[in-house]
Amino acid sequence: GNSVTQMEGPVTLSEEAFLTINCTYTATGYPSLFWYVQYPGEGLQLLLKATKADDKGSNKGFEATYRKETTSFHLEKGSVQVSDSAVYFCALSTGGSNYKLTFGKGTLLTVNP
Amino acid sequence: GAGVSQSPSNKVTEKGKDVELRCDPISGHTALYWYRQSLGQGLEFLIYFQGNSAPDKSGLPSDRFSAERTGGSVSTLTIQRTQQEDSAVYLCASSLGNRFPQETQYFGPGTRLLVL
Repeated sequence: GNSVTQMEGPVTLSEEAFLTINCTYTATGYPSLFWYVQYPGEGLQLLLKATKADDKGSNKGFEATYRKETTSFHLEKGSVQVSDSAVYFCALSTGGSNYKLTFGKGTLLTVNP
Repeated sequence: GAGVSQSPSNKVTEKGKDVELRCDPISGHTALYWYRQSLGQGLEFLIYFQGNSAPDKSGLPSDRFSAERTGGSVSTLTIQRTQQEDSAVYLCASSLGNRFPQETQYFGPGTRLLVL
């Protein structure tokens, strides 16, 4: 079956620090990969995605590269802001009989000024 | 345009009672999903509707859980004889339904269910 493993938090950084949240996956078939973000008091929203090997998804200064050889999709940002404080979820979908998302456990990021 | 809406936003119920949770997907989206977010289990898939096809119920945790989607739009998730372990945030998502794994799912704000 499909599974996603992401680094457990919480992660606490100072503003302008470099961020990496690790994500690795196991999938039957060729997955599409996603990062979703949940800001305090808000619903889940898509941050970025990649659909094939070596694709780089990017949005709001965040990036993640689809690495098939290491089955990874690590999230990075060069300089975090207080407003980036949120829970980040790595997820995948492989299609087939349904297109459900399989999520990691989530990583809580807190950025201090 | 309007996003996915869910009601109620919060629900407190007593063990053994039935509850109904409602989801209004984005207009024109033919695919609809229910997920559950709980502290112990993270985010779990429950059920998937695609157009008029039979739903994929493979994620429902027990036969106390059921869902329907009327007219290809609004969906209701029903939990019968609620148990304390049903306490969680229930999330609904919709997507265009073009049957691509890379298709973006848009999530509602969730219904927070507490079973006393």
